[in-house]
Amino acid sequence: GAVVSQHPSWVICKSGTSVKIECRSLDFQATTMFWYRQFPKQSLMLMATSNEGSKATYEQGVEKDKFLINHASLTLSTLTVTSAHPEDSSFYICSATIGEWGTEAFFGQGTRLTVV
Amino acid sequence: LAKTTQPISMDSYEGQEVNITCSHNNIATNDYITWYQQFPSQGPRFIIQGYKTKVTNEVASLFIPADRKSSTLSLPRVSLSDTAVYYCLVGDAPGNTGKLIFGQGTTLQVKP
Repeated sequence: GAVVSQHPSWVICKSGTSVKIECRSLDFQATTMFWYRQFPKQSLMLMATSNEGSKATYEQGVEKDKFLINHASLTLSTLTVTSAHPEDSSFYICSATIGEWGTEAFFGQGTRLTVV
Repeated sequence: LAKTTQPISMDSYEGQEVNITCSHNNIATNDYITWYQQFPSQGPRFIIQGYKTKVTNEVASLFIPADRKSSTLSLPRVSLSDTAVYYCLVGDAPGNTGKLIFGQGTTLQVKP
């Protein structure tokens, strides 16, 4: 099946610094990718829709200036957590679909962000 | 996107069949029903998707009654490795909207 890869798998950063997370579709092109956040023992929460060649669409309550999304190519979307704080520590997951009606979403393995 | 309700947790033993039911009373005509599995510290993985009646693949079956207001994921002969969180999602097929709204999921614990 299709593969979506995230990098890094985990990252620790100091409070106030920025962290970039990459999401790649390895064997298909994805004009749209999605970013989710998951806190411990909770479900996934959709943060934003990443659109190739245009601005991302953010869900209500998600700060677009804090979570910068760039989708510069058909196989790569990046999420940058700017000025990270401990409350941003979470599990970040991206997904992509191949675009046919009725197909599944493919998820990356996730990135564990810890802000100290 | 239709709201879903499923049990928060379930316990089972190895070798048993597990049925997880999901309620989605407000499902729309063009909505599909999709189930995902998530292991700790991993992204979700697609299990099965259906629109009506019964769908079966190599890992599970999905039963959908005629009114489509609920669905049941059936896992035959579970093993310890099936311990995970199972999410039921209802909405436009991913290719249309791509946006998946996850509910609380059902944590399945398989015991030896």
